[in-house]
Amino acid sequence: AQSVTQLDSQVPVFEEAPVELRCNYSSSVSVYLFWYVQYPNQGLQLLLKYLSGSTLVKGINGFEAEFNKSQTSFHLRKPSVHISDTAEYFCAVRVGLNTGFQKLVFGTGTRLLVSP
Amino acid sequence: DTAVSQTPKYLVTQMGNDKSIKCEQNLGHDTMYWYKQDSKKFLKIMFSYNNKELIINETVPNRFSPKSPDKAHLNLHINSLELGDSAVYFCASSQDSGGRGAKNIQYFGAGTRLSVL
Repeated sequence: AQSVTQLDSQVPVFEEAPVELRCNYSSSVSVYLFWYVQYPNQGLQLLLKYLSGSTLVKGINGFEAEFNKSQTSFHLRKPSVHISDTAEYFCAVRVGLNTGFQKLVFGTGTRLLVSP
Repeated sequence: DTAVSQTPKYLVTQMGNDKSIKCEQNLGHDTMYWYKQDSKKFLKIMFSYNNKELIINETVPNRFSPKSPDKAHLNLHINSLELGDSAVYFCASSQDSGGRGAKNIQYFGAGTRLSVL
């Protein structure tokens, strides 16, 4: 079964420092990958997506991610974080079903804690 | 205007009660979803409807019954609530649920925090 692994449950970082949140997936077929952000007490917001094409994808709020097929990774990066980036970040992979429909499988999330 | 809206935002109730959560999307999407987020923030899909028809039904107790009166609405009814049902429930929608590309990108509501006492 296809799955997503986010090894870091929590990443503390100082403001203006760079950050990388790791995501690895397992899939034997074409993959569609996503990063969602959940701010405290809010819903999920799409940060960025990889569907096809360039392996470096840029998202909102200065985030970017690189799809690496050989390493089956889709790590999220930001060169300089702000206090307001403190949130839970979820990596997800779209999985095809036998019915022809698809569903999202999420990782367990990484809590980014930005301090002054 | 909120694209995917859920009501209520908070729901506190006693064990054994029956409750409903409503979801509406104004994006013109064909597919809607219900997810459960547990206390450890783990998100798992429960159901999905495409054009009012059930297309995904994960291993969910029969006490949970989704209903889609039309494409824009997907409600979740829960019978005989148990302590373990306490969680945040998210509704989402996408343009469709098959094929490739951007049509399957899911947009989420703000969530309903259910607390069963």
